[in-house]
Amino acid sequence: EVQLVESGGDLVQPGGSLRLSCAASGFTFSDHYIDWVRQAPGKGLEWVGRSRNRAKSYSTEYAASVKGRFTISRDDSKNSLYLQMNSLKVEDTAFYYCARYISGTNFGGFDIWGQGAMVIVSS
Amino acid sequence: QAGLTQPPSVSRGLRETATFTCTGNSNNVGDQGAAWLQQHQGHPPKLLSYRDNKRPSGISERFSASRSGNTASLTISGLQPEDEADYYCSAWDSSLSVLVFGGGTKLTVL
Repeated sequence: EVQLVESGGDLVQPGGSLRLSCAASGFTFSDHYIDWVRQAPGKGLEWVGRSRNRAKSYSTEYAASVKGRFTISRDDSKNSLYLQMNSLKVEDTAFYYCARYISGTNFGGFDIWGQGAMVIVSS
Repeated sequence: QAGLTQPPSVSRGLRETATFTCTGNSNNVGDQGAAWLQQHQGHPPKLLSYRDNKRPSGISERFSASRSGNTASLTISGLQPEDEADYYCSAWDSSLSVLVFGGGTKLTVL
């Protein structure tokens, strides 16, 4: 079965750090772009960042709101994607999803989503 | 970063047709097109269409999408109670190198 499973969500104090993991199964992980998308309670979807595939040298992109604080990495040997979050702010509180992007000509969208991991930033 | 513009809510009756719009610009929707997602409360989003009008396997033919210039549209025909959900559009902004979402449209089926 093709799936993504997030883990690592927790309660953390402002200024703290946290690392989320996204474990993939059922497909060739290195062939795909994988993104992080978050959703604050009761709010809409917000893109966090992207890890492109091996063909694109695993290059990354980030939303302006997290650039310099968050880092996306991946370990293809473990079929896993990571989101290292530093200098966390209260406004980073959200449900964090990893999602598989359909790459290619024109915008592909996300065909596989994990169930999400909750991150709460609060003192 | 600039997002895509969606109306906050749409209400239609059972078995009627609902159309959602998503307005961007020439750097996002107008450049590479858009995709649509459906999200029920408490669940992750589900892809309804991609590359403007392609439907993933398993998605009902009642869902159809299109694009005209900088505006993408999603139409749901024969509305059912289970269609009540939030609908989001998304696109890549090639000038900013970021992915943008619309604010979402909440569909109420009366």
